[in-house]
Amino acid sequence: GENVEQHPSTLSVQEGDSAVIKCTYSDSASNYFPWYKQELGKRPQLIIDIRSNVGEKKDQRIAVTLNKTAKHFSLHITETQPEDSAVYFCAARTGGSYIPTFGRGTSLIVHP
Amino acid sequence: DAGVIQSPRHEVTEMGQEVTLRCKPISGHDYLFWYRQTMMRGLELLIYFNNNVPIDDSGMPEDRFSAKMPNASFSTLKIQPSEPRDSAVYFCASRTGLYNEQFFGPGTRLTVL
Repeated sequence: GENVEQHPSTLSVQEGDSAVIKCTYSDSASNYFPWYKQELGKRPQLIIDIRSNVGEKKDQRIAVTLNKTAKHFSLHITETQPEDSAVYFCAARTGGSYIPTFGRGTSLIVHP
Repeated sequence: DAGVIQSPRHEVTEMGQEVTLRCKPISGHDYLFWYRQTMMRGLELLIYFNNNVPIDDSGMPEDRFSAKMPNASFSTLKIQPSEPRDSAVYFCASRTGLYNEQFFGPGTRLTVL
């Protein structure tokens, strides 16, 4: 089955800095890569996703890049704000499967 | 739509007791997922249903865990008997096969003493 590795497990940045979270996946048939944000005590919520037919997707301060050859994808957050502090999960889903495999999560802390 | 609804939000019980967690998926969603989240193991998929039928329960840790979906608007996850190591946050999520986003419920925080 699919295996998703996520790094780092904890990321601490100063407000205004950029943050990058990286994930690798094992199944070359994976074609959909969502990112979820989970604030403390809340549910995971989708913030951005990318499909295998594109290499990059942006939504305001967040962007996701995908390298199919290397089987890795990354989340980029620019101009970080304290409200960006949360746990971020990456996931990978193979074609034909409705089951995403989640990474272990990255705890992002943005210091004011 | 109210989103995915879970109850109770918090449950504290003693070891050996039966625990039942409840979930109401978003109307029209034909997939329902049960996850368990712990610091040690992250977000684990326990079981998922399609059109009320259990498809994959390989993530269910032991026979003490069981899940049912008697209709399209209701599912339960039961632990009997409960043990302290079952303490975790249990999430229910739903989605439709037409879209890719999974919508999570608010979770049930279970504490087994």
